[in-house]
Amino acid sequence: DAKTTQPNSMESNEEEPVHLPCNHSTISGTDYIHWYRQLPSQGPEYVIHGLTSNVNNRMASLAIAEDRKSSTLILHRATLRDAAVYYCILRFNRDDKIIFGKGTRLHILP
Amino acid sequence: DTAVSQTPKYLVTQMGNDKSIKCEQNLGHDTMYWYKQDSKKFLKIMFSYNNKELIINETVPNRFSPKSPDKAHLNLHINSLELGDSAVYFCASSWTSGSNEQFFGPGTRLTVL
Repeated sequence: DAKTTQPNSMESNEEEPVHLPCNHSTISGTDYIHWYRQLPSQGPEYVIHGLTSNVNNRMASLAIAEDRKSSTLILHRATLRDAAVYYCILRFNRDDKIIFGKGTRLHILP
Repeated sequence: DTAVSQTPKYLVTQMGNDKSIKCEQNLGHDTMYWYKQDSKKFLKIMFSYNNKELIINETVPNRFSPKSPDKAHLNLHINSLELGDSAVYFCASSWTSGSNEQFFGPGTRLTVL
């Protein structure tokens, strides 16, 4: 399975944008890039996914490098409620198997 | 209103016992999953069912047996519990097999003494 590399933890100030990086240099042409997050004591929550083009939704934006070997999840205006572990996941086409890595623990400073 | 619910939320039991965790989703989804999150916080898929049929069965001891009485329910029965089974178990569902978004339940924290 293709792997992702994320920083163990990051900090950001409240109400500022947050850029969460993810490296996936062994990505294949049929791998989709998915992001989930897990708030404390809760189950994971889908955030966004993309293949080649940048994507926006109500929660975040996903910027994908032209060579697809890296991507960045962008939270436009972080709130305290965004403190969570963020997982960058490569998912083969429509494979049901989501393989979670260690993720990035995001701390939001008031 | 809860989309994916699990019972119980906490389960404390002795080694060797048999226990079940129940999962229900009211989203009308066809596919359901069980994940295990261990003490190091790694989240791994165990099983998935699509319309009551098993489609993913990862390398899980056969003491773990999922049962899907209908497509809205996926229960997990664990026989002869061991210390290493202590973890948080998450149920999830999606519209169909391969859907982009999986919806997770709140988790069941199982502690085996």
